[in-house]
Amino acid sequence: GAVVSQHPSWVICKSGTSVKIECRSLDFQATTMFWYRQFPKQSLMLMATSNEGSKATYEQGVEKDKFLINHASLTLSTLTVTSAHPEDSSFYICSARAPPGAGGPIITDTQYFGPGTRLTVL
Amino acid sequence: GQNIDQPTEMTATEGAIVQINCTYQTSGFNGLFWYQQHAGEAPTFLSYNVLDGLEEKGRFSSFLSRSKGYSYLLLKELQMKDSASYLCAVHRGGSYIPTFGRGTSLIVHP
Repeated sequence: GAVVSQHPSWVICKSGTSVKIECRSLDFQATTMFWYRQFPKQSLMLMATSNEGSKATYEQGVEKDKFLINHASLTLSTLTVTSAHPEDSSFYICSARAPPGAGGPIITDTQYFGPGTRLTVL
Repeated sequence: GQNIDQPTEMTATEGAIVQINCTYQTSGFNGLFWYQQHAGEAPTFLSYNVLDGLEEKGRFSSFLSRSKGYSYLLLKELQMKDSASYLCAVHRGGSYIPTFGRGTSLIVHP
């Protein structure tokens, strides 16, 4: 399958600080990437759709001013959690949607996930 | 909107076969995906069905019936490492935005 990387894999920060998480698609150019959040023993919750060169589309209930998304290139999307609080502690996962013609074993329209970032806010 | 149902938990014995069902309701259909997620890790892609029928890939197979809004993931020759959560996902109608089911936690015991 395709490789999507995320950095950092884990982060601990103080309440009130901002944290940036990077998501990189290494095997194909991704015009669309997705950001998810997952609390322990719960399902994946889609936060937003990140579109290269345009504004992200946020799901209902997700604060766009708190979770800033930038998709500046076809291989990089970033999520910044601003003024983080303990309730923001979660597992954040990105995915990249494979475009047509990505080639090899990569299947068009399939999402390939990054390894996730575990955020702990003290 | 989308509605995806799958069992919460299943148990099976090492070496056995298990079938995990998924039913869905969606306006417009762009394909159904199965992912495996081990505890504390991100999901990994298992299969993609867009046409009716069975797709076989090694020990894992996935079946789709679009008319019934039904899919299953079949795992053969179960191994302990298959203990994980299995997520069924469909794209929202007319888009490529995914909706995931809550996942089925599979426990494989000796």
